[in-house]
Amino acid sequence: EPEVTQTPSHQVTQMGQEVILRCVPISNHLYFYWYRQILGQKVEFLVSFYNNEISEKSEIFDDQFSVERPDGSNFTLKIRSTKLEDSAMYFCASGARDNAYNEQFFGPGTRLTVL
Amino acid sequence: AQSVAQPEDQVKVAEGNPLTVKCTYSVSGNPYLFWYVQYPNRGLQFLLKYITGDNLVKGSYGFEAEFNKSQTSFHLKKPSALVSDSALYFCAVRGAGANNLFFGTGTRLTVIP
Repeated sequence: EPEVTQTPSHQVTQMGQEVILRCVPISNHLYFYWYRQILGQKVEFLVSFYNNEISEKSEIFDDQFSVERPDGSNFTLKIRSTKLEDSAMYFCASGARDNAYNEQFFGPGTRLTVL
Repeated sequence: AQSVAQPEDQVKVAEGNPLTVKCTYSVSGNPYLFWYVQYPNRGLQFLLKYITGDNLVKGSYGFEAEFNKSQTSFHLKKPSALVSDSALYFCAVRGAGANNLFFGTGTRLTVIP
């Protein structure tokens, strides 16, 4: 069964450093998403991406964040200058079609720790 | 605005007993409701969804959920719990035309042998 994969599983970084979180969505999917979950809090939407551009983003997704699909398989989330409050579990998801009817398929997450 | 509430952080049931994990929602327009489960070191796995039609929705691993429009609830149920059902369960809602899922805070289910 195809799965969404994410690397690394855990990333530790110093405040102010740049990090890139990587995801490989399911191969025939066209819609891609990033969510995050701060420990003990809700899973929160960050951004959705379709046809090589951002289709929607939340207020969390400020200028420090960017996403890219550099090739046909990877989908990355970059945080330019990490802050302590960026520490969270980051989930990538993909979907075959983007309408309200269809479920999204999630990866196992990357735990980001900012020191 | 869209929101989801899971009022119980933890639910414990004995193996073989029925289980219920509660979820209430708030959304403009028709709600599209989802349940996901997360096992340790794994991603969120889709269990079931309600889009329209029958209020009782059946999903993976013997789980079902009942949509109740008047109570704005979408409780997850299983008639007979297994130890292997122990995991973190998330309810999510997606409004019509919305791109993203709104999640609850999750409920940790423990099934006691």
